[in-house]
Amino acid sequence: AVQLTQSPSSLSASVGESVTITCRASQGISSALAWYQQKPGRPPKLLIYDASTLEPGVPSRFSGSGSGTDFTLTINSLQSADFATYYCQHFSTYPITFGQGTRLDFK
Amino acid sequence: QITLKESGPTLVKPTQTLTLTCTVSGVSLTTSGVGVGWIRQSPGKALEWLACIYWNDDKRYSPSLKNRLTITKDTSKNQVVLIMTNMEPADTATFYCAHSLDARGPYITPEAFDLWGQGTLVTVSS
Repeated sequence: AVQLTQSPSSLSASVGESVTITCRASQGISSALAWYQQKPGRPPKLLIYDASTLEPGVPSRFSGSGSGTDFTLTINSLQSADFATYYCQHFSTYPITFGQGTRLDFK
Repeated sequence: QITLKESGPTLVKPTQTLTLTCTVSGVSLTTSGVGVGWIRQSPGKALEWLACIYWNDDKRYSPSLKNRLTITKDTSKNQVVLIMTNMEPADTATFYCAHSLDARGPYITPEAFDLWGQGTLVTVSS
């Protein structure tokens, strides 16, 4: 199974800053990667799929890039609503797997 | 507008079988390209994919849990059912059902999940 490793596991930032989260796959997955945002007590919300395609309704301050084994999620000009946990997920083949998550909180 | 809602017991005893239902609205489970998956999340932990079922009744399972899982759909009720046998305390988790992005070709391939139910917390305890 493809293993996804996110880094960092947690990070602290302030409103207005930009942050980048990395997801590394244990083998090449082309662009078959999605990013989710999850807030406590809520289901995950799809932000990006196909590594860089923004889900409709997701603010443009979110962006994704990468292919093969290395991927990034960048959030520009952080808003208070962005403080949450972020997960990557691959869908290149079965079984589907998720990264371990990156918690983004207030500095 | 597609919505999903999970239902089932909140408490099961060790060794018991868990049956969860996902009621889907806004799209027929028999519509070409439609897929629904189950994902669980143990308290404070990451997401874990369990299984998917597709419009053509094709099914995919997590290899690590395949022997304990069964996924089916009831097209008359537009529901997806997940059965998990031999529950143990380590299976305590919030279980989510989620709509898979529509298939992009004639073959079954995994996709991202664009719509999720609210989740149902299942505790395994005697």
